[in-house]
Amino acid sequence: QLQLVESGGGLVKPGGSLRLSCAASGFTFSDYYMNWIRQAPGKGLEWLSYISSSSTTIFYAESVKGRFTISRDNAKNSLYLHMNSLRAEDTAVYYCARDPAGTGWFDPWGPGTLVTVSS
Amino acid sequence: QSVVSQPPSASATPGQRVTISCSGSRSNIGSNYVNWYQQVPGTAPRLLIYSDDQRPSGVPDRFSGSKSGTSASLAISGLQSDDEADYYCASWEDRLNGVVFGGGTKLTVL
Repeated sequence: QLQLVESGGGLVKPGGSLRLSCAASGFTFSDYYMNWIRQAPGKGLEWLSYISSSSTTIFYAESVKGRFTISRDNAKNSLYLHMNSLRAEDTAVYYCARDPAGTGWFDPWGPGTLVTVSS
Repeated sequence: QSVVSQPPSASATPGQRVTISCSGSRSNIGSNYVNWYQQVPGTAPRLLIYSDDQRPSGVPDRFSGSKSGTSASLAISGLQSDDEADYYCASWEDRLNGVVFGGGTKLTVL
């Protein structure tokens, strides 16, 4: 069945870096746009980034532009989020999600991985 | 403040019908599809409605979506206790080249 599983979260100090991974299975990963979305504790959902199937189109939210980099490896069925210059306000559960039509709706979502930025 | 707005809470009793509104502008809802997600606390969001009014397979027909102009609505009929969750609308935002989510509506089944 369709499955996405994030990994790589953890505790990191302010100013530090982290790389999140998202392993996809159950579908042809290379055919689909992919996204990262996050949710701070007790808060709503925030879209972060979008990457097209061949990595030719990439968009970022203003809140992470210049600090986060989305990438993918279609041979490994994997999506990544490289996060630099982390701040306390980046503390959140990070979800990866498939975008079936490339028009900004997400299905399925992974279970998420928690990133905590604290000294 | 979210670019797209929703009421923070809604409530109804089992069996009733409830609607959740989502208000935006011409650059998001007014020119792009609206999608709805359900999130039970402690779990990942789940797609409920896409492209304004389409239900993915597996979503009961008690859930329906509609859109008019720069506003959209999610309706849930025959409310059940396990519908108690947070509901988010979302749409593409042309000015930002990205997706914007509403702030979420916490639905309580009384």
